[in-house]
Amino acid sequence: DQQVKQNSPSLSVQEGRISILNCDYTNSMFDYFLWYKKYPAEGPTFLISISSIKDKNEDGRFTVFLNKSAKHLSLHIVPSQPGDSAVYFCAADDVSTGTASKLTFGTGTRLQVTL
Amino acid sequence: KAGVTQTPRYLIKTRGQQVTLSCSPISGHRSVSWYQQTPGQGLQFLFEYFSETQRNKGNFPGRFSGRQFSNSRSEMNVSTLELGDSALYLCASSLAGYGYTFGSGTRLTVV
Repeated sequence: DQQVKQNSPSLSVQEGRISILNCDYTNSMFDYFLWYKKYPAEGPTFLISISSIKDKNEDGRFTVFLNKSAKHLSLHIVPSQPGDSAVYFCAADDVSTGTASKLTFGTGTRLQVTL
Repeated sequence: KAGVTQTPRYLIKTRGQQVTLSCSPISGHRSVSWYQQTPGQGLQFLFEYFSETQRNKGNFPGRFSGRQFSNSRSEMNVSTLELGDSALYLCASSLAGYGYTFGSGTRLTVV
């Protein structure tokens, strides 16, 4: 049972345009969400997170939006740069236990930013 | 400061053997989590250790085990290896249970 779903395995965007990566979840207990970026032969790198008490969080070119009623979150990258080409993972956890150490990951979306 | 270090980077084992993977967390980090990444299942949580105690466990068989030492270094062990255990094993560390930093992983191939 895939509790975190990234339905688009790949996405191609032109440099300078907006990249929008989507993620859906089914577990209503999830209240903390993260996006990681992964290059080949490296571990995932944390990008940005959002708590369920918020619906938006920004960090530079990266913005995450959370729609709790739809159980949907998205990552916006503006403007997209060639160095953003990587696999992006959405992850979620229930932090009522006091930690976010048991992340449930989506299967990833491969973003390619073209010149 | 040094990141999360996993050793070895690559490993080839035969079915039925056992394997031990090592993870050195970022200095000062007390929580260490392990994940398995496969093409079909993505990243799946194995277990988490905090101050030498297993605090969380994922849905993996008992062949997968781990431990954490007093210096926070962690090891995971897989016994009686199966072909399906071929995967990238990732370790991540955190100061207190949020904001995990991942290592580059150990690529295990079972033949």
